[in-house]
Amino acid sequence: EPEVTQTPSHQVTQMGQEVILRCVPISNHLYFYWYRQILGQKVEFLVSFYNNEISEKSEIFDDQFSVERPDGSNFTLKIRSTKLEDSAMYFCASSFSGGINEKLFFGSGTQLSVL
Amino acid sequence: GENVEQHPSTLSVQEGDSAVIKCTYSDSASNYFPWYKQELGKRPQLIIDIRSNVGEKKDQRIAVTLNKTAKHFSLHITETQPEDSAVYFCAARRSNNNDMRFGAGTRLTVKP
Repeated sequence: EPEVTQTPSHQVTQMGQEVILRCVPISNHLYFYWYRQILGQKVEFLVSFYNNEISEKSEIFDDQFSVERPDGSNFTLKIRSTKLEDSAMYFCASSFSGGINEKLFFGSGTQLSVL
Repeated sequence: GENVEQHPSTLSVQEGDSAVIKCTYSDSASNYFPWYKQELGKRPQLIIDIRSNVGEKKDQRIAVTLNKTAKHFSLHITETQPEDSAVYFCAARRSNNNDMRFGAGTRLTVKP
């Protein structure tokens, strides 16, 4: 069964450093998402991406965050200057469409630790 | 925006018993309600979903019910097994909106 893959599985960084989290969505999917989950808390929507542009973003997704689809397979989340509170599990997800067939498939996540 | 409330936060049942998790949502335009199961340290996995044109959906031991008037939906697991132990998240979303809002999660423990 096709899966969303994410790398790295764990990322440790110093506060103020830039990090890039990488995702390879399922190949025929058209909508891509980033979610985060702070330890013990709910999964929170960050951003959705379709047709090479952001389609929606939450209040969490501020100017420190950016997303990019640099080629036909990868989807990245960049945090420019990490803060302690950015420590969380970041999940990438993809779906075939944004309409009626909205099943989201999640990657296994990247655990980001900001020291 | 949408706000999803989920109860209870923890639920412990004996193997073979039923478990029920309830969610309410605030946005009457929401029309898609998935449930995800997340085992410790793993990704959320979709286990069942329901759309607003249906009141109930069942898949083996799992069922979901939806009351659009009251804006609540529930997950029912019958004949629970220890491997059902996980955190379960409900979510709600409008079809023209990519912002899926999750509930806070329910930690289900099934005791053998």
